[in-house]
Amino acid sequence: DQQVKQNSPSLSVQEGRISILNCDYTNSMFDYFLWYKKYPAEGPTFLISISSIKDKNEDGRFTVFLNKSAKHLSLHIVPSQPGDSAVYFCAASASGTYKYIFGTGTRLKVLA
Amino acid sequence: NAGVTQTPKFQVLKTGQSMTLQCAQDMNHNSMYWYRQDPGMGLRLIYYSASEGTTDKGEVPNGYNVSRLNKREFSLRLESAAPSQTSVYFCASNTGKETQYFGPGTRLLVL
Repeated sequence: DQQVKQNSPSLSVQEGRISILNCDYTNSMFDYFLWYKKYPAEGPTFLISISSIKDKNEDGRFTVFLNKSAKHLSLHIVPSQPGDSAVYFCAASASGTYKYIFGTGTRLKVLA
Repeated sequence: NAGVTQTPKFQVLKTGQSMTLQCAQDMNHNSMYWYRQDPGMGLRLIYYSASEGTTDKGEVPNGYNVSRLNKREFSLRLESAAPSQTSVYFCASNTGKETQYFGPGTRLLVL
């Protein structure tokens, strides 16, 4: 039973265009969401987060949108750059727990 | 300031052998975690330690044991390795309810 789902295993985008990565969750107790980026042979690195009290959080080229009623979040990267090519994981946690549930990841390829 | 370090980087085991994966963090974090990453499965939590002296099971704890040796160190032990434990193992830490910092990973192959 996958509580956090990333239904697109891969995505290809032209350099300079927008990349949109999607994530769905089923547990309504989740109230904190994060996106991580992972390059091959390295550990994941934190990208951006959002609390359930917000519906948008922005950091430079990266924006995360949260739609609580749809239990859906998305990561927008504008403009996409070749260095953004990596696997992106979304993760979620619930108040009072220390556990993070990760999605299966989406491999983004930005074409020069 | 090294962040989260893991040893070894790579290990090959035969079925039935035991080994311990080591993890240390120098960020004075209270919480530490062990994950495994498998193709198509994302990152799955094996065990975590919310604070020194406590450990709890995650999503996939079977076949593993952990020790929170002190605030800095959190080890993962495979008592009798199985081919199904072939994976990449990541250790992470944080101060509680926010961003986790990950180590570089240990690639384990069980033959």
